[in-house]
Amino acid sequence: EAGVAQSPRYKIIEKRQSVAFWCNPISGHATLYWYQQILGQGPKLLIQFQNNGVVDDSQLPKDRFSAERLKGVDSTLKIQPAKLEDSAVYLCASSLLGEGGNTIYFGEGSWLTVV
Amino acid sequence: GNSVTQMEGPVTLSEEAFLTINCTYTATGYPSLFWYVQYPGEGLQLLLKATKADDKGSNKGFEATYRKETTSFHLEKGSVQVSDSAVYFCALSSGSARQLTFGSGTQLTVLP
Repeated sequence: EAGVAQSPRYKIIEKRQSVAFWCNPISGHATLYWYQQILGQGPKLLIQFQNNGVVDDSQLPKDRFSAERLKGVDSTLKIQPAKLEDSAVYLCASSLLGEGGNTIYFGEGSWLTVV
Repeated sequence: GNSVTQMEGPVTLSEEAFLTINCTYTATGYPSLFWYVQYPGEGLQLLLKATKADDKGSNKGFEATYRKETTSFHLEKGSVQVSDSAVYFCALSSGSARQLTFGSGTQLTVLP
């Protein structure tokens, strides 16, 4: 079974530029998450989708971050304009709806450096 | 709100030593508890989980027991290997939204 796919793996941009990350979850997984992991910290949830609807985006900095999952499958996370403090790994994850114990599967992450 | 507190790192051990990484939590309701591992340059991988009190999760020689009375989920391994060198994250999931709340991670280095 294919895992969670993310691209690009690495991106370096200048501050005030924009960047987009793409995620394709495990086939059949209704729930998709984007997490931000700053170096030395645990991942922090940015946004959670169920199918193509937003469940929780309370920690998403909406003045610069946006995310969509238009067809309820793959998703895009955009940052515009980027700030230095956005340097982090952006992790996409997915899970089945109602799976016992809620196992969440993570992609390898997209590493962003803002200079 | 939910929170997870992990033992501060980094932790350095010799091969075949005993490992304990402490994890305590605060949560509403009855959370599920997880340990994830992150090898260098890779994403998070689920190591083990427990969904109710007194459950023991185990995988690859690692174990953790869900202790409701002490709100803890400590990770243990009897004999670590160099290949266990990684960052370990304790996490919980609770509520209808089923989101993960992570601890800050513990860097483990095992020396030959």
